Amino acid sequence: SAVISQKPSRDICQRGTSLTIQCQVDSQVTMMFWYRQQPGQSLTLIATANQGSEATYESGFVIDKFPISRPNLTFSTLTVSNMSPEDSSIYLCSVAVGLEGETQYFGPGTRLLVL
Amino acid sequence: GNSVTQMEGPVTLSEEAFLTINCTYTATGYPSLFWYVQYPGEGLQLLLKATKADDKGSNKGFEATYRKETTSFHLEKGSVQVSDSAVYFCALSVNTPLVFGKGTRLSVIA
Repeated sequence: SAVISQKPSRDICQRGTSLTIQCQVDSQVTMMFWYRQQPGQSLTLIATANQGSEATYESGFVIDKFPISRPNLTFSTLTVSNMSPEDSSIYLCSVAVGLEGETQYFGPGTRLLVL
Repeated sequence: GNSVTQMEGPVTLSEEAFLTINCTYTATGYPSLFWYVQYPGEGLQLLLKATKADDKGSNKGFEATYRKETTSFHLEKGSVQVSDSAVYFCALSVNTPLVFGKGTRLSVIA
């Protein structure tokens, strides 16, 4: 398994501002992901954070809005830029472990409210 | 494409009742299957998993069997407790990352 921490755990932000969320893992992992969970909804994959290269974004998500950094194998950041109330969600970091990366573990999430 | 369909909630049960949450999937390739649980105000926790046909995953009294012939992975528990109240997500993975169902909210009343 993996122990994942995220900071901040929650925040309230004004529209038009940006927030950077940090994800720290207790061991080196190759695959790290960022998900969004809108209120009362399931999880949607935002992007795969690749170490040493640009993140791979899913359809509907763009780098200008959700820039991601992955400076090493234990850490990543997701920035939510130019926020609007529609960005109010839980943002979760996840890592894949196992011989084929078949099992994912999740951080506790960052609860974001945009006013 | 890959997708997961799970039963609509919410599900409300009395303590000690039997629980079934249905989950079926569509996948290209040979997926691994998972159940995750999200307790109120918390992140997702891996509840159980199965990586090949006929495997049974189990944890905390919950069980699910990977049925390739019916493309299903139904979650069961023989006797639920109030502390099991949470949202349950079925998910699959084919070469990662996960594809989730919409989640089923379970409320257990004393």
